[in-house]
Amino acid sequence: DAGVIQSPRHEVTEMGQEVTLRCKPISGHDYLFWYRQTMMRGLELLIYFNNNVPIDDSGMPEDRFSAKMPNASFSTLKIQPSEPRDSAVYFCASSTSRGRVTQYFGPGTRLTVL
Amino acid sequence: KQEVTQIPAALSVPEGENLVLNCSFTDSAIYNLQWFRQDPGKGLTSLLLIQSSQREQTSGRLNASLDKSSGRSTLYIAASQPGDSATYLCAVRYGGSQGNLIFGKGTKLSVKP
Repeated sequence: DAGVIQSPRHEVTEMGQEVTLRCKPISGHDYLFWYRQTMMRGLELLIYFNNNVPIDDSGMPEDRFSAKMPNASFSTLKIQPSEPRDSAVYFCASSTSRGRVTQYFGPGTRLTVL
Repeated sequence: KQEVTQIPAALSVPEGENLVLNCSFTDSAIYNLQWFRQDPGKGLTSLLLIQSSQREQTSGRLNASLDKSSGRSTLYIAASQPGDSATYLCAVRYGGSQGNLIFGKGTKLSVKP
């Protein structure tokens, strides 16, 4: 398996623009997680899905952030409008279980908002 | 507040040395604990997963221990190699299997040839 795939790997945009990050989980994994990593706050869970349904979005910082999972092989994280403080590395991870087994992480998308 | 702390933030050792990375957590009622490795520009790779009922886990040159009563875990790396250079993160899961992972900020390890 190719592992978790994320695109783009790097994104540079200007404040106010819409940003869409994409994730393809490992086939057969029914849990998908979006994380954000910054120097100040470390790695934080934003939202997770089970069988394509959002279960817990309490980590989403503001209404400017939204996530969807239209099918088992694709998810998006959208920021509209983007702000400089959104600059971070965004990771997608997938697993076959909520917490009993490990999560497999993608390589991340490094987002820079100017 | 449930927090995970990793000290030191950075560590540099010569090749061949045995070393210990530390992780401490504020609440002893954990479900499980994981150690991850993160290489620059890459995602996290799980190294070891310790369930709350276990005291340690081993994989090759790596050994992770868990002491819930003291709120501590250690990752022991034997005979370190330059290829071990990476950031090591500790993550604790509370609230059963449905709880979220709470990550430490990691220890950046550099192994000098």
